[in-house]
Amino acid sequence: EPEVTQTPSHQVTQMGQEVILRCVPISNHLYFYWYRQILGQKVEFLVSFYNNEISEKSEIFDDQFSVERPDGSNFTLKIRSTKLEDSAMYFCASSARTQRGETQYFGPGTRLLVL
Amino acid sequence: AQTVTQSQPEMSVQEAETVTLSCTYDTSESDYYLFWYKQPPSRQMILVIRQEAYKQQNATENRFSVNFQKAAKSFSLKISDSQLGDAAMYFCAYRGSGNTPLVFGKGTRLSVIA
Repeated sequence: EPEVTQTPSHQVTQMGQEVILRCVPISNHLYFYWYRQILGQKVEFLVSFYNNEISEKSEIFDDQFSVERPDGSNFTLKIRSTKLEDSAMYFCASSARTQRGETQYFGPGTRLLVL
Repeated sequence: AQTVTQSQPEMSVQEAETVTLSCTYDTSESDYYLFWYKQPPSRQMILVIRQEAYKQQNATENRFSVNFQKAAKSFSLKISDSQLGDAAMYFCAYRGSGNTPLVFGKGTRLSVIA
């Protein structure tokens, strides 16, 4: 069964460093998402991406964040200068395109720790 | 803005018994989707079940079923014949029409007692 994959599974970085989180969505999916979950809290939406551009973003997704689909398979989230409060689990999700919308399937997540 | 409320931070159930997790939501939309996701200790998000608001029939997936009350904006999850592997955090989530982002509740931590 097709699944969303994410790398790395864990990332430890120093405050102020840049990190890139990678995702490979399900191959026939066209909508891509990043969500974040700070430990012990609920999952929060960051950004959605369709047709090579951001379709929606939350207030969390400030200028420190960017997303890119560099090729036909990868979808990346970059944090330019990490802060302590960026420590969280980051989930990538993807969904197919239908007239009525479709279920979002999540990857296993990347656990980011900023020291 | 849409909100999702899970009023039970923690629940426990005896193995083989049935448990119901509550979820309410607030929306002004008529066309939307509701989901339950399971998050085991590995923290992966696993889809359990989904419900389309335009369908009156409650969704069922094996031991998992929902009680969808559209007028009351309630969407509870029933787990029958609970198993040890059901122990996890369960998140209720809402999504409007189109490929819009999911809005999650705070979750209910389910413990299964052998």
